[in-house]
Amino acid sequence: GAVVSQHPSRVICKSGTSVKIECRSLDFQATTMFWYRQFPKQSLMLMATSNEGSKATYEQGVEKDKFLINHASLTLSTLTVTSAHPEDSSFYICSAIRGPGGTYEQYFGPGTRLTVT
Amino acid sequence: AQTVTQSQPEMSVQEAETVTLSCTYDTSESDYYLFWYKQPPSRQMILVIRQEAYKQQNATENRFSVNFQKAAKSFSLKISDSQLGDAAMYFCAYSGSRLTFGEGTQLTVNP
Repeated sequence: GAVVSQHPSRVICKSGTSVKIECRSLDFQATTMFWYRQFPKQSLMLMATSNEGSKATYEQGVEKDKFLINHASLTLSTLTVTSAHPEDSSFYICSAIRGPGGTYEQYFGPGTRLTVT
Repeated sequence: AQTVTQSQPEMSVQEAETVTLSCTYDTSESDYYLFWYKQPPSRQMILVIRQEAYKQQNATENRFSVNFQKAAKSFSLKISDSQLGDAAMYFCAYSGSRLTFGEGTQLTVNP
């Protein structure tokens, strides 16, 4: 149990366009989901925390107008990269937890590789 | 703010040998969890082992065990009988009010 999926696994888009990444908890209800960004050979950087039915909380330095996060249901969160630029190219990973707060184990999706040309 | 430090960017071990990965953290919280995650080339994050701060007993999962020293804020991972499949990036993570990752240790297993 505790499987998290992400779609798409890879996406290539042109500069100036928008791209949406979906994160789904397949066999549990996720009250909280997280979005991370990871550059090659680096650690995961938390971008934002989303709770079902409320606005996402963004980390300092993350542009909320560029990275739109929607957590519309207990099993789905989406990250939309708006007006993408080459510097947005990265590996994006989502995770989900079953319970409230950050003390519970996070279950990670397989990640999405975004390339902006 | 919580910080997690992994002082070994790279480690290598011979197959069937034992290796220990280091991790230290800083926090003022009293209730928290600590994790070791493995990230193979597929980049899927895989939980290796978890430790609850209030438990004094060190966690063990088959060939993986931790040495948790709460007063020293140290949380090292020992991998026994290393296998080729253990080769990956290993991240130490602290979970209190949020999950904070260390910089990672790239483990190479030599046949």
